[in-house]
Amino acid sequence: QVQLVQSGAEVKKPGASVKVSCRASGYTFTDYYMHWVRQAPGQGLEWMGWINPNSGGTNYAKKFQGRVTMTRDTSVTTLYMELNRLASDDTAVYFCARAVGIPAQSDYWGQGTLVTVSS
Amino acid sequence: SYVLTQPPSVSVAPGQTARITCGGNSIGSKGVHWYQVRPGQAPVVVVYDDDDRPSGIPERFSGSNSGHTATLTISRVEAGDEAAYYCQVWDSSGHEVVFGGGTKVTVL
Repeated sequence: QVQLVQSGAEVKKPGASVKVSCRASGYTFTDYYMHWVRQAPGQGLEWMGWINPNSGGTNYAKKFQGRVTMTRDTSVTTLYMELNRLASDDTAVYFCARAVGIPAQSDYWGQGTLVTVSS
Repeated sequence: SYVLTQPPSVSVAPGQTARITCGGNSIGSKGVHWYQVRPGQAPVVVVYDDDDRPSGIPERFSGSNSGHTATLTISRVEAGDEAAYYCQVWDSSGHEVVFGGGTKVTVL
């Protein structure tokens, strides 16, 4: 069965960086794009970008360009999302979510990773 | 950038029909996906490509999309349908995925 298992909760200080992982299993890793989406407390869903695990190509939301990096390691079928220069309003649950193509829906989601930014 | 507008909340009695709208410029020309988000849980797609339903999603969930408005309809609402619902599209002009602001459905 398809599983997306994310790394555990993180607490970071303002200005620091965080790297969240998403280990994929149960399907052909390179056949599906992976989106990263976050949800701040009491707020809505916010798209951060996608990565093509086959080519490593990425497309980031304008809001996060210059601050986010999405990578993958095909040898361990794991995706990574690194966010730099953290601020308090980056406190959120971060999700990975796979999609068969870019206009397509995200049919499987990771369980979410809470990142708390606090001094 | 492309904007999707949803009502913040919808209230409905059990057994009645809830309709959640998602407004966007010529949204009828785009494929719309709808997600259900319960507190503390990951989103679940309930309708994709305007009006298709994933396996395992009850037939009570349906979608439509035309002009400048897409609609998610939940028929015969149950207490378990209480959640936030988000519409989503791909903005090919801006090369971004866009989510609506979300609608909290309350079952009275």
